[in-house]
Formats: sequence, structure tokens, C-alpha cells
Amino acid sequence: DAGVIQSPRHEVTEMGQEVTLRCKPISGHDYLFWYRQTMMRGLELLIYFNNNVPIDDSGMPEDRFSAKMPNASFSTLKIQPSEPRDSAVYFCASSPQLTNNYEQYFGPGTRLTVT
Amino acid sequence: EDKVVQSPLSLVVHEGDTVTLNCSYEVTNFRSLLWYKQEKKAPTFLFMLTSSGIEKKSGRLSSILDKKELFSILNITATQTGDSAVYLCAVHQGAQKLVFGQGTRLTINP
Repeated sequence: DAGVIQSPRHEVTEMGQEVTLRCKPISGHDYLFWYRQTMMRGLELLIYFNNNVPIDDSGMPEDRFSAKMPNASFSTLKIQPSEPRDSAVYFCASSPQLTNNYEQYFGPGTRLTVT
Repeated sequence: EDKVVQSPLSLVVHEGDTVTLNCSYEVTNFRSLLWYKQEKKAPTFLFMLTSSGIEKKSGRLSSILDKKELFSILNITATQTGDSAVYLCAVHQGAQKLVFGQGTRLTINP
């Protein structure tokens, strides 16, 4: 089991550029989550999908952020245009659709720096 | 607004000490409480608690939930330098959604 895979692991970009983060969830998991982690705000849920359908995007900070899940094995989080305050570690997590198992499995994260 | 509050935010102890980390919550539709350990990379799962008063234990770590007073504690006995990490508390509030606390940064000095 390869676990949740994220790419790239590090991204440095200039303000105004488009950034795309990628995630491959664990095979068979029906839920996929995108989180952002900063020192100031901790770990925040941005959006999550169930069976490729976005369920709750209330955590997406503004229209510059968008997320897609075209199939069960791939999701993207896009920031366009990026700003320095978007600098953070972005985690993708997945979980199975089991009634009594709410554990989420996290990927290694993408460290984004916007200069 | 749903919230999860952890205390202390930071803790420094000596190897061998016992520590207690706290997590209190106010959420609608509580389902369970989870503890995660985060070292330099991704959070890794420790415990899930759903019932009050039942202790979960794994080696030197243990945790208990009080659903009446809306809190949980995580105990680590005989701490080791490898226990140094950020410990995250999260509450599941339905539909697989977790609300995380700010975390407690634990440092174990040799």
C-alpha cells in the first residue's frame, strides 16, 4: 500500500503565478480531503469529496482556490493567482466509507512558498 | 461555531517525565474524537474515542474521553525523545468531516 501520494513535495513560485497541487488517494477510499496548515491557523479543512463529488467547500478561502476530482484516483487543488499569504503546507488525506471508522490517512504534504 | 481547543500549546519536559495533553471541544453532532501525532511530515493516527470513560491504550500512550464535560486527555508516561512532536486533537462531526485543534508542541529533552 503506497499511501496517499502528493506532488510536488515542494513548490516555490512568484506571486501571481498559477499553482497546481496533486493528490492520489489510497485505492478504495471514497473520501478525499484537502487541508492547509500554517503556524498561525493550524490545520484547516479546505474542501472534501465523496465519490468524486465535492461535499463541503466552505473552507476554501476565496475564489482564487479551486479543487477538482475527475476520477477516484486523482484530485487537484489549484490557486490562481497565488499570493504570499497562500504560503503553507497543503495536505491531502483520504478515508474509507466505513460507518465507524473516521480515521483519515494523510499524504506527505506539499510545502508551498509564494514570493 | 464548532471549535476544538488544545492546551497547553507548547510543553517542554525531561525524558522520563509523564505528560498530560488536553483537548476540549464544542461541536454540533459529535461522533468521535481522534488524536494524531505529527512529527516533521504528515499527521499519523493514534487513537479514536467514541465512548466516555473507556481508556484507549497503546504502549506508553493512553487517552480517555469525557462526553459530559466535552474533553479528552492524552497521557504519555516515561517520555522519550522520540515522543517529541505536535499532538493534534480532532473531532468528527458527521459526514467524515474532522475539526482540528491548534495542536500541542511537545519537546522532550534528554
